[in-house]
Amino acid sequence: AQTVTQSQPEMSVQEAETVTLSCTYDTSENNYYLFWYKQPPSRQMILVIRQEAYKQQNATENRFSVNFQKAAKSFSLKISDSQLGDTAMYFCAFMNTGNQFYFGTGTSLTVIP
Amino acid sequence: EADIYQTPRYLVIGTGKKITLECSQTMGHDKMYWYQQDPGMELHLIHYSYGVNSTEKGDLSSESTVSRIRTEHFPLTLESARPSHTSQYLCASSDLSSGNTIYFGEGSWLTVV
Repeated sequence: AQTVTQSQPEMSVQEAETVTLSCTYDTSENNYYLFWYKQPPSRQMILVIRQEAYKQQNATENRFSVNFQKAAKSFSLKISDSQLGDTAMYFCAFMNTGNQFYFGTGTSLTVIP
Repeated sequence: EADIYQTPRYLVIGTGKKITLECSQTMGHDKMYWYQQDPGMELHLIHYSYGVNSTEKGDLSSESTVSRIRTEHFPLTLESARPSHTSQYLCASSDLSSGNTIYFGEGSWLTVV
């Protein structure tokens, strides 16, 4: 069975600083997808960034980048130049070859002005 | 933003009432999902569908039912609401055409009094 673990229930960062959110997962599969989703307070869950396991290059999307370590089954999210609008719950997610999604328990990030 | 819509957004109903939460997507996605999420907490998969006339129960036991008569429509029904059903319900969809990315609706906040 696949599991996704986010070991940081809450984090905070000063505005303009950099923060890294941790995520580890467990799977016996070789091909899969990994995602980070953002859920602002009382707002829609939206995709931040995605990574295909067969790609060695870490995905980057503007201020958001990942550190994908396949052997270690680690998929951390780095947010650079943090902005107040980055305050949200962040969920790490895994999708297996059977198209089943598994979500972590979330990390609540607060950007402090 | 993704074209997936949920109604109602907010609803307060009495115990014992029947309620249907509507979900529609205009992306032609085959796969659709219902998640239950308490505020600031993790997501729990309660139902999913891989296509028309396909429905499956998720990881979290639920007293709700779903149907998938049309590709774009995946309603969730509670035959007899109870206070324990008070939660947010998130509808989502995904497909190969979306790169297997799962897209979420804005959520339906249900309060049973």
